[in-house]
Amino acid sequence: NAGVTQTPKFRVLKTGQSMTLLCAQDMNHEYMYWYRQDPGMGLRLIHYSVGEGTTAKGEVPDGYNVSRLKKQNFLLGLESAAPSQTSVYFCASSRAGEQFFGPGTRLTVL
Amino acid sequence: TQLLEQSPQFLSIQEGENLTVYCNSSSVFSSLQWYRQEPGEGPVLLVTVVTGGEVKKLKRLTFQFGDARKDSSLHITAAQPGDTGLYLCAGVIGGFKTIFGAGTRLFVKA
Repeated sequence: NAGVTQTPKFRVLKTGQSMTLLCAQDMNHEYMYWYRQDPGMGLRLIHYSVGEGTTAKGEVPDGYNVSRLKKQNFLLGLESAAPSQTSVYFCASSRAGEQFFGPGTRLTVL
Repeated sequence: TQLLEQSPQFLSIQEGENLTVYCNSSSVFSSLQWYRQEPGEGPVLLVTVVTGGEVKKLKRLTFQFGDARKDSSLHITAAQPGDTGLYLCAGVIGGFKTIFGAGTRLFVKA
Protein backbone atom coordinates (compact mmCIF):
# COMPACT_ATOMS: atom_id res chain seq x y z
CA ASN A 1 0.00 0.00 0.00
CA ALA A 2 2.06 2.93 -1.30
CA GLY A 3 -0.47 5.72 -0.55
CA VAL A 4 0.17 8.72 -2.81
CA THR A 5 3.19 8.68 -5.11
CA GLN A 6 4.55 11.44 -7.33
CA THR A 7 6.97 11.36 -10.23
CA PRO A 8 9.44 12.85 -10.80
CA LYS A 9 10.92 13.97 -7.47
CA PHE A 10 13.05 16.72 -9.03
CA ARG A 11 13.08 18.45 -12.40
CA VAL A 12 14.83 21.41 -13.97
CA LEU A 13 13.23 23.01 -17.03
CA LYS A 14 14.13 25.86 -19.31
CA THR A 15 11.60 28.61 -19.90
CA GLY A 16 9.10 27.54 -22.55
CA GLN A 17 9.57 23.80 -22.10
CA SER A 18 6.66 21.56 -21.23
CA MET A 19 6.31 18.71 -18.77
CA THR A 20 3.80 16.50 -17.00
CA LEU A 21 3.80 15.61 -13.32
CA LEU A 22 2.20 12.30 -12.45
CA CYS A 23 0.31 11.52 -9.25
CA ALA A 24 -0.96 8.06 -8.37
CA GLN A 25 -2.98 6.86 -5.38
CA ASP A 26 -3.93 3.32 -4.38
CA MET A 27 -6.54 4.16 -1.72
CA ASN A 28 -9.53 4.33 -4.11
CA HIS A 29 -10.12 7.97 -3.17
CA GLU A 30 -12.59 10.04 -5.16
CA TYR A 31 -10.98 13.43 -4.63
CA MET A 32 -7.54 14.42 -5.85
CA TYR A 33 -5.72 17.75 -5.69
CA TRP A 34 -2.64 19.55 -6.97
CA TYR A 35 -1.04 22.22 -4.79
CA ARG A 36 2.04 24.37 -5.05
CA GLN A 37 4.01 25.41 -2.00
CA ASP A 38 6.13 28.53 -1.98
CA PRO A 39 8.03 30.05 0.97
CA GLY A 40 5.76 32.06 3.25
CA MET A 41 2.64 31.27 1.23
CA GLY A 42 1.58 27.87 2.43
CA LEU A 43 -0.16 25.47 0.06
CA ARG A 44 -2.18 26.95 -2.80
CA LEU A 45 -4.68 24.84 -4.71
CA ILE A 46 -4.01 24.68 -8.47
CA HIS A 47 -6.67 22.23 -9.70
CA TYR A 48 -8.73 19.48 -8.17
CA SER A 49 -10.93 16.57 -9.19
CA VAL A 50 -14.00 15.15 -7.50
CA GLY A 51 -13.97 11.94 -9.52
CA GLU A 52 -12.75 10.16 -12.62
CA GLY A 53 -13.21 12.30 -15.71
CA THR A 54 -13.80 15.54 -13.77
CA THR A 55 -11.52 18.50 -13.08
CA ALA A 56 -12.01 21.97 -11.63
CA LYS A 57 -9.94 25.10 -11.15
CA GLY A 58 -8.52 26.01 -7.79
CA GLU A 59 -6.98 29.19 -6.49
CA VAL A 60 -4.03 29.50 -8.94
CA PRO A 61 -4.86 27.55 -12.14
CA ASP A 62 -3.25 29.80 -14.79
CA GLY A 63 -0.46 28.12 -16.76
CA TYR A 64 -1.48 24.61 -15.70
CA ASN A 65 -3.74 21.91 -17.08
CA VAL A 66 -4.87 18.64 -15.52
CA SER A 67 -6.47 15.36 -16.50
CA ARG A 68 -8.09 12.53 -14.52
CA LEU A 69 -8.63 9.77 -17.07
CA LYS A 70 -8.33 7.04 -14.44
CA LYS A 71 -9.54 7.25 -10.84
CA GLN A 72 -6.11 6.48 -9.44
CA ASN A 73 -4.14 8.99 -11.52
CA PHE A 74 -4.13 12.79 -11.64
CA LEU A 75 -1.78 14.49 -14.11
CA LEU A 76 -0.58 18.09 -13.93
CA GLY A 77 0.76 19.64 -17.12
CA LEU A 78 2.79 22.75 -17.77
CA GLU A 79 2.54 23.63 -21.46
CA SER A 80 5.11 26.46 -21.48
CA ALA A 81 7.03 26.69 -18.24
CA ALA A 82 7.86 30.09 -16.73
CA PRO A 83 10.28 30.98 -13.90
CA SER A 84 7.24 31.93 -11.77
CA GLN A 85 6.31 28.25 -11.77
CA THR A 86 9.43 27.34 -9.82
CA SER A 87 7.97 25.70 -6.73
CA VAL A 88 7.38 22.47 -4.85
CA TYR A 89 4.29 20.68 -6.14
CA PHE A 90 2.23 18.38 -3.94
CA CYS A 91 -0.49 15.99 -4.95
CA ALA A 92 -3.09 14.81 -2.43
CA SER A 93 -6.09 12.54 -2.36
CA SER A 94 -9.04 12.18 -0.01
CA ARG A 95 -12.37 10.43 0.37
CA ALA A 96 -13.77 13.13 2.59
CA GLY A 97 -11.95 15.11 5.22
CA GLU A 98 -8.36 13.99 5.69
CA GLN A 99 -6.05 14.61 2.76
CA PHE A 100 -3.14 12.27 2.13
CA PHE A 101 -0.16 13.96 0.48
CA GLY A 102 2.56 12.68 -1.77
CA PRO A 103 6.24 13.48 -1.12
CA GLY A 104 6.33 16.40 -3.56
CA THR A 105 8.08 17.35 -6.79
CA ARG A 106 10.66 20.14 -6.69
CA LEU A 107 10.54 22.01 -10.01
CA THR A 108 12.98 24.69 -11.06
CA VAL A 109 12.36 26.73 -14.22
CA LEU A 110 15.42 28.60 -15.49
CA THR B 1 -11.46 35.22 -1.10
CA GLN B 2 -11.23 33.08 2.00
CA LEU B 3 -8.00 33.53 3.90
CA LEU B 4 -6.52 31.80 6.89
CA GLU B 5 -3.93 33.81 8.81
CA GLN B 6 -1.49 31.99 11.05
CA SER B 7 0.65 33.52 13.76
CA PRO B 8 3.43 33.53 14.55
CA GLN B 9 5.13 32.72 11.25
CA PHE B 10 8.26 31.50 13.00
CA LEU B 11 8.94 30.34 16.55
CA SER B 12 12.21 29.24 18.10
CA ILE B 13 12.00 27.98 21.68
CA GLN B 14 13.92 25.89 24.21
CA GLU B 15 12.97 22.32 25.02
CA GLY B 16 10.40 22.23 27.82
CA GLU B 17 8.71 25.54 27.00
CA ASN B 18 5.04 25.88 26.12
CA LEU B 19 3.74 27.58 22.99
CA THR B 20 0.53 28.49 21.20
CA VAL B 21 -0.05 28.89 17.47
CA TYR B 22 -3.10 30.77 16.21
CA CYS B 23 -5.16 30.41 13.05
CA ASN B 24 -7.72 33.12 12.22
CA SER B 25 -10.20 33.79 9.44
CA SER B 26 -13.19 35.99 8.68
CA SER B 27 -14.88 32.97 7.10
CA VAL B 28 -16.79 30.13 8.70
CA PHE B 29 -15.55 26.66 7.87
CA SER B 30 -17.35 23.33 8.13
CA SER B 31 -14.28 22.00 9.91
CA LEU B 32 -10.69 22.95 10.56
CA GLN B 33 -7.63 20.77 10.33
CA TRP B 34 -4.07 20.96 11.58
CA TYR B 35 -1.25 19.36 9.61
CA ARG B 36 2.42 18.96 10.37
CA GLN B 37 5.06 18.94 7.64
CA GLU B 38 8.67 17.87 7.93
CA PRO B 39 11.39 18.92 5.45
CA GLY B 40 11.20 17.07 2.14
CA GLU B 41 7.83 15.49 2.91
CA GLY B 42 4.15 16.22 2.40
CA PRO B 43 1.91 17.43 5.25
CA VAL B 44 0.41 14.84 7.58
CA LEU B 45 -2.92 15.36 9.31
CA LEU B 46 -2.78 15.79 13.10
CA VAL B 47 -6.41 16.52 13.92
CA THR B 48 -9.77 17.68 12.58
CA VAL B 49 -12.10 19.82 14.69
CA VAL B 50 -15.70 20.13 13.63
CA THR B 51 -17.88 21.62 16.37
CA GLY B 52 -17.60 25.23 17.60
CA GLY B 53 -15.82 25.25 20.96
CA GLU B 54 -14.45 21.76 20.46
CA VAL B 55 -11.19 20.86 22.19
CA LYS B 56 -9.09 17.85 21.19
CA LYS B 57 -5.93 16.56 22.80
CA LEU B 58 -3.18 14.55 21.17
CA LYS B 59 -0.59 13.75 23.86
CA ARG B 60 1.08 17.14 24.56
CA LEU B 61 -0.83 18.94 21.79
CA THR B 62 -4.19 20.63 22.48
CA PHE B 63 -6.34 21.89 19.62
CA GLN B 64 -9.29 24.25 20.02
CA PHE B 65 -11.91 25.36 17.50
CA GLY B 66 -13.44 28.78 18.14
CA ASP B 67 -17.10 29.04 19.09
CA ALA B 68 -17.92 30.76 15.78
CA ARG B 69 -15.89 28.20 13.77
CA LYS B 70 -13.68 30.94 12.32
CA ASP B 71 -10.50 30.43 14.33
CA SER B 72 -8.43 27.77 16.00
CA SER B 73 -5.39 27.37 18.21
CA LEU B 74 -2.74 24.74 18.76
CA HIS B 75 -1.06 24.62 22.15
CA ILE B 76 2.02 22.48 22.78
CA THR B 77 3.02 21.72 26.36
CA ALA B 78 6.66 21.04 27.24
CA ALA B 79 7.89 21.16 23.65
CA GLN B 80 10.50 18.63 22.54
CA PRO B 81 12.99 18.72 19.64
CA GLY B 82 10.82 16.13 17.90
CA ASP B 83 8.05 18.74 17.66
CA THR B 84 10.18 20.77 15.23
CA GLY B 85 8.41 21.25 11.91
CA LEU B 86 5.96 23.34 9.89
CA TYR B 87 2.44 23.46 11.33
CA LEU B 88 -0.34 24.25 8.89
CA CYS B 89 -3.95 25.00 9.66
CA ALA B 90 -6.52 24.30 6.97
CA GLY B 91 -10.17 25.28 6.66
CA VAL B 92 -12.46 22.78 4.96
CA ILE B 93 -15.17 24.02 2.62
CA GLY B 94 -18.01 21.89 1.33
CA GLY B 95 -16.55 18.74 2.83
CA PHE B 96 -13.62 18.28 0.47
CA LYS B 97 -11.99 21.57 -0.61
CA THR B 98 -9.33 22.94 1.72
CA ILE B 99 -7.78 26.39 2.21
CA PHE B 100 -4.38 26.36 3.91
CA GLY B 101 -2.73 28.97 6.08
CA ALA B 102 0.87 30.00 5.37
CA GLY B 103 2.13 27.93 8.27
CA THR B 104 4.10 28.34 11.50
CA ARG B 105 7.66 27.09 11.42
CA LEU B 106 8.59 25.75 14.88
CA PHE B 107 12.15 25.03 16.00
CA VAL B 108 12.68 23.45 19.40
CA LYS B 109 16.24 23.60 20.68
CA ALA B 110 17.57 20.85 22.96
